[in-house]
Amino acid sequence: AQSVTQLGSHVSVSEGALVLLRCNYSSSVPPYLFWYVQYPNQGLQLLLKYTTGATLVKGINGFEAEFKKSETSFHLTKPSAHMSDAAEYFCAVSERNAGNMLTFGGGTRLMVKP
Amino acid sequence: GAVVSQHPSWVICKSGTSVKIECRSLDFQATTMFWYRQFPKQSLMLMATSNEGSKATYEQGVEKDKFLINHASLTLSTLTVTSAHPEDSSFYICSAGEGAGDQPQHFGDGTRLSIL
Repeated sequence: AQSVTQLGSHVSVSEGALVLLRCNYSSSVPPYLFWYVQYPNQGLQLLLKYTTGATLVKGINGFEAEFKKSETSFHLTKPSAHMSDAAEYFCAVSERNAGNMLTFGGGTRLMVKP
Repeated sequence: GAVVSQHPSWVICKSGTSVKIECRSLDFQATTMFWYRQFPKQSLMLMATSNEGSKATYEQGVEKDKFLINHASLTLSTLTVTSAHPEDSSFYICSAGEGAGDQPQHFGDGTRLSIL
């Protein structure tokens, strides 16, 4: 079965510093890849997705992620953290030809220090 | 963008009450809707998947008779927590998909359920 690993359940950065949130998936066939953000007491909002084509994808709020097949990774980055980026981030994958079913990682809580 | 409306956002009720949560896709037709449960500081746990007009598919360990799911149209799915007890208190989130795997699920804002 597909699994998604997010290394680091908590990540703390200073405002203005680089944000790096890690995501690795397990399947040998590259799935569709998604990053979602969740603010307290809210649902999930899509940040970006990779399905095909260019491996570096840009999303909302200045985030981007790079699909690396050789590393089975899809790490999320942002050059300069803002206080408003503090939230829970989830990496999720959807297997090709499996409809919309998502497998989620355990989540990473991003804290931004002033 | 695709919008999913989930209602109510907060529910506080007494033990033994049944609670209905609605999930609507406002500007697209959702071939599949998903119901998740989220415990504090944890990831989402898929409870069931529903397709319009057919019975929901429940994940292992989820009681079908406790969590009744109806997906009567392409824009509305409901989750009813029957005879709720304090252990059912949680954050419930719905999402809707347009069918193709390369399309993201669109999430509602969740329902905080507190059973006294």
